[in-house]
Amino acid sequence: NAGVTQTPKFRVLKTGQSMTLLCAQDMNHEYMYWYRQDPGMGLRLIHYSVGEGTTAKGEVPDGYNVSRLKKQNFLLGLESAAPSQTSVYFCASNTRDTTTEAFFGQGTRLTVV
Amino acid sequence: KQEVTQIPAALSVPEGENLVLNCSFTDSAIYNLQWFRQDPGKGLTSLLLIQSSQREQTSGRLNASLDKSSGRSTLYIAASQPGDSATYLCAVKPDSGYSTLTFGKGTMLLVSP
Repeated sequence: NAGVTQTPKFRVLKTGQSMTLLCAQDMNHEYMYWYRQDPGMGLRLIHYSVGEGTTAKGEVPDGYNVSRLKKQNFLLGLESAAPSQTSVYFCASNTRDTTTEAFFGQGTRLTVV
Repeated sequence: KQEVTQIPAALSVPEGENLVLNCSFTDSAIYNLQWFRQDPGKGLTSLLLIQSSQREQTSGRLNASLDKSSGRSTLYIAASQPGDSATYLCAVKPDSGYSTLTFGKGTMLLVSP
């Protein structure tokens, strides 16, 4: 049981480049989330999805886009990377049942130079 | 807007000590509260999940309590070990809207041999 898997684990981008982070979960969870974690800021929600074909903005959505074409996958895109997007990105998933715990991926460390 | 605060930000103790980590939240309208552990460079691992109707949860040497009305939770670690060294995060899930977690910034724990 792989749980939540993020690809890639590390990436270095030049300013202005684009990239897509992939999150895959094999637990048939309805809800999926993208967070970023920065020193002194904690984890902040970027975008989330409550089901296949749906997305919504979180606390810090600017500069990111997401898609949930398949229930098991949640993609986070950076169209034109900026140094301010240097961060560690975490994907998480949860069932619709609010009594259950959230599961997190191992993170993607992104550096924009 | 929900805000989650964790005190202390860092804690250093000798092996064997019992310790308490604190988490407070500003809006008591929550479904549940979850404690996570994060090792350096790793993802988040769920430790304990307390429903809003519960007062505490226990797992091994860990005990988490919840006082929803006062907006407080504590994580008690008994007989600490060097392997407990990590950052501990608490997160709350609101009881309205979609189930997005709000995180505290964490307590970095170092247990010395």
